[in-house]
Amino acid sequence: DQQVKQNSPSLSVQEGRISILNCDYTNSMFDYFLWYKKYPAEGPTFLISISSIKDKNEDGRFTVFLNKSAKHLSLHIVPSQPGDSAVYFCAASLFGNEKLTFGTGTRLTIIP
Amino acid sequence: NAGVMQNPRHLVRRRGQEARLRCSPVKGHSHVYWYRQLPEEGLKFMVYLQKENIIDESGMPKERFSAEFPKEGPSILRIQQVVRGDSAAYFCASSPQRRGGSTDTQYFGPGTRLTVL
Repeated sequence: DQQVKQNSPSLSVQEGRISILNCDYTNSMFDYFLWYKKYPAEGPTFLISISSIKDKNEDGRFTVFLNKSAKHLSLHIVPSQPGDSAVYFCAASLFGNEKLTFGTGTRLTIIP
Repeated sequence: NAGVMQNPRHLVRRRGQEARLRCSPVKGHSHVYWYRQLPEEGLKFMVYLQKENIIDESGMPKERFSAEFPKEGPSILRIQQVVRGDSAAYFCASSPQRRGGSTDTQYFGPGTRLTVL
């Protein structure tokens, strides 16, 4: 049972434009969400997180939006840069439970 | 480099051999997690440990897999009698001690890629 889903395996965006990566979840008890970025042959790198008490969190070029009623979160990257080309994973956790449940990832390619 | 260290980065084993994967957390972090990534899939939680204690092993296969995080030294993920289906990337993550029940960000190591021949 895939509790965290990233339905787009890949996404291509022109440099300078906005990249929007989407993630859906089925477990309404999830209360903390994270985005990780992963380059080939490396471990995931933490990007940004959001608690369920918020609906938006910004950090520089990265903004995460959370829509609890739709069980949906998205990551916006603007402007997109070539170095943003990577696989992006969303992850979720339950309050008081440390384990992360990951989506299957979206491969983002930034076109120069 | 003060990040999570994992070794070896690549490990090749024949069926039936043992695999030992090591993880040194970020200095000062007392929580360690192990995840496994099969090809074309996301990371799957295996086990969560604190020093000398296994807190949650709900993602660990019931047989052949074990993990420890001793008082001194790295955390070890041990796979006995490996089979081809164990071939995967194994990632370790660490986080600092939780405060007030809040969730702390997990920081990942570069992973160990296990290949079983």
